[in-house]
Amino acid sequence: TQLLEQSPQFLSIQEGENLTVYCNSSSVFSSLQWYRQEPGEGPVLLVTVVTGGEVKKLKRLTFQFGDARKDSSLHITAAQPGDTGLYLCAGLQGGSEKLVFGKGTKLTVNP
Amino acid sequence: DTAVSQTPKYLVTQMGNDKSIKCEQNLGHDTMYWYKQDSKKFLKIMFSYNNKELIINETVPNRFSPKSPDKAHLNLHINSLELGDSAVYFCASSLRNEKLFFGSGTQLSVL
Repeated sequence: TQLLEQSPQFLSIQEGENLTVYCNSSSVFSSLQWYRQEPGEGPVLLVTVVTGGEVKKLKRLTFQFGDARKDSSLHITAAQPGDTGLYLCAGLQGGSEKLVFGKGTKLTVNP
Repeated sequence: DTAVSQTPKYLVTQMGNDKSIKCEQNLGHDTMYWYKQDSKKFLKIMFSYNNKELIINETVPNRFSPKSPDKAHLNLHINSLELGDSAVYFCASSLRNEKLFFGSGTQLSVL
């Protein structure tokens, strides 16, 4: 059973469009992280959210942590080709040392 | 000035061989990890060391043995390689339970 479900699995859009990626679970997390991974490289952290209902903005990227701390979303406004990559959410359960990753959303932004 | 460096970048070997992957971090972190990313991009933790002490040991075959000679190094030795071991292996480091910094990965191909 996958602890963190990400959707969609694949997303191909045109430059300038908006998109939202979802990360859902039936489990509660003490914190949730979003990473972006480019081909041939390791994941790079974008943001960490820790408080239920928290919203964080990183330029055109908006991250939201659900009120119950079971889900999160990533919204990108006016996507650019440079946003292309694999977006991974990862959750840390309370009392656990283990960061669990979702299966990722592969985003392609076409010029 | 690389933060987390792992070698080699590519490793092609025959079934049954023994191989090692090395990892070093210069961030002063106290925790290091090995993750395996399969062909579907699913990133799964294998091991975690905190101050040279093993704290996470997932269900990984005994053929995989991590070794941490000091806080800055975590190596992975694999005995009797099998076809199913083919994947990208990522080393990562962090201050305990904080954001992960990943290396650029070792692509292992077992023929």
